[in-house]
Amino acid sequence: AQSVTQLGSHVSVSEGALVLLRCNYSSSVPPYLFWYVQYPNQGLQLLLKYTSAATLVKGINGFEAEFKKSETSFHLTKPSAHMSDAAEYFCAVSPSGSARQLTFGSGTQLTVLP
Amino acid sequence: ETGVTQSPTHLIKTRGQQVTLRCSSQSGHNTVSWYQQALGQGPQFIFQYYREEENGRGNFPPRFSGLQFPNYSSELNVNALELDDSALYLCASSLGLERVKGSPLHFGNGTRLTVT
Repeated sequence: AQSVTQLGSHVSVSEGALVLLRCNYSSSVPPYLFWYVQYPNQGLQLLLKYTSAATLVKGINGFEAEFKKSETSFHLTKPSAHMSDAAEYFCAVSPSGSARQLTFGSGTQLTVLP
Repeated sequence: ETGVTQSPTHLIKTRGQQVTLRCSSQSGHNTVSWYQQALGQGPQFIFQYYREEENGRGNFPPRFSGLQFPNYSSELNVNALELDDSALYLCASSLGLERVKGSPLHFGNGTRLTVT
């Protein structure tokens, strides 16, 4: 069984500041991990994914995430926030080698302050 | 490349009615998954279809059913609607189950269902 915990349902940062969104996972098998972003009234867009290759994963829009097995974490970061980054972010896990269901966290709403 | 398209975008139904939601997969994708996203929550897996057969189901009652057609498009049917069924229903497509491990899901913009 898999589960995801996203710490902080709301995160606010100033424009130009570091973005850090936290994700911890639980999985009985080696996991595949994903970050998705959702803008208002839209579906989910894939930011990046970890599939057991490099532990530091680079995604779109300047985001990256690091898989830390010892901490069971997959935190999302971006060095400098932009106003357009304001959205809801979801971390998700699936069993490795499987394209079956994703288990999502409850999401983190990112607000970027001018 | 055509993305995942869903119809309708919004729908209002009365408790006890039945509803059908539709999804066209991204070009080249043969696996379709459906998710329910309640307000303020993350998406929850309903079921997945591969080669026109159900291939995995989440914790949803039988009144949630689906179909996948030869062109890989899909339908989600919900019978005997309840107030708690009000949610955004997301369809996602991906490449074949075995061919591409870790193949990411590509989501449509969803259908907003309101049950009154």
